Amino acid sequence: QKEVEQDPGPLSVPEGAIVSLNCTYSNSAFQYFMWYRQYSRKGPELLMYTYSSGNKEDGRFTAQVDKSSKYISLFIRDSQPSDSATYLCAFFPRGRRALTFGSGTRLQVQP
Amino acid sequence: KAGVTQTPRYLIKTRGQQVTLSCSPISGHRSVSWYQQTPGQGLQFLFEYFSETQRNKGNFPGRFSGRQFSNSRSEMNVSTLELGDSALYLCASSLEALYEQYFGPGTRLTVT
Repeated sequence: QKEVEQDPGPLSVPEGAIVSLNCTYSNSAFQYFMWYRQYSRKGPELLMYTYSSGNKEDGRFTAQVDKSSKYISLFIRDSQPSDSATYLCAFFPRGRRALTFGSGTRLQVQP
Repeated sequence: KAGVTQTPRYLIKTRGQQVTLSCSPISGHRSVSWYQQTPGQGLQFLFEYFSETQRNKGNFPGRFSGRQFSNSRSEMNVSTLELGDSALYLCASSLEALYEQYFGPGTRLTVT
């Protein structure tokens, strides 16, 4: 079983839609939970990180963590064509100095 | 504040050659991590350096090596290149907390 499962998409939505991106994980040692956005031919850009279960909001983005279910989500409100990118979930485990990434979900927001 | 810079941005090498990639972290950041990104395997951790010391290494063969200089700049080297080494090599820097890493644009290496 892979440590992290993330649907590769592509996920296509109309402009203005609410987008939900998800990852499941199996490693109980994961302590910090991150979301990165990667545009084509660019490096990943850190959007948000969170430590505890619950919600964290930043503008149009909300990160949600459910440690009991080992499930994290990123919600994008009022999606824009500029949000079209690949979104990667990432995890930082207790006791190891390296991030583990999901495979990424490609999002396309249609104008 | 300038971001993470990587040079060169694109590189074409032939099998058997070696290559050196360079990374300059954000000013003040002392930790530099390297990742390999491929369509099949995604983002995989190579190694992490802090104050010139390698603190962690991923599951890559010994052909992959790195170092960090006193000014926190880092290089990674791949010797005896194989076709499967074709990838985007990403460098990320952080102050201390590795859950807050900032990536450079990457070096796209093509091995022919």
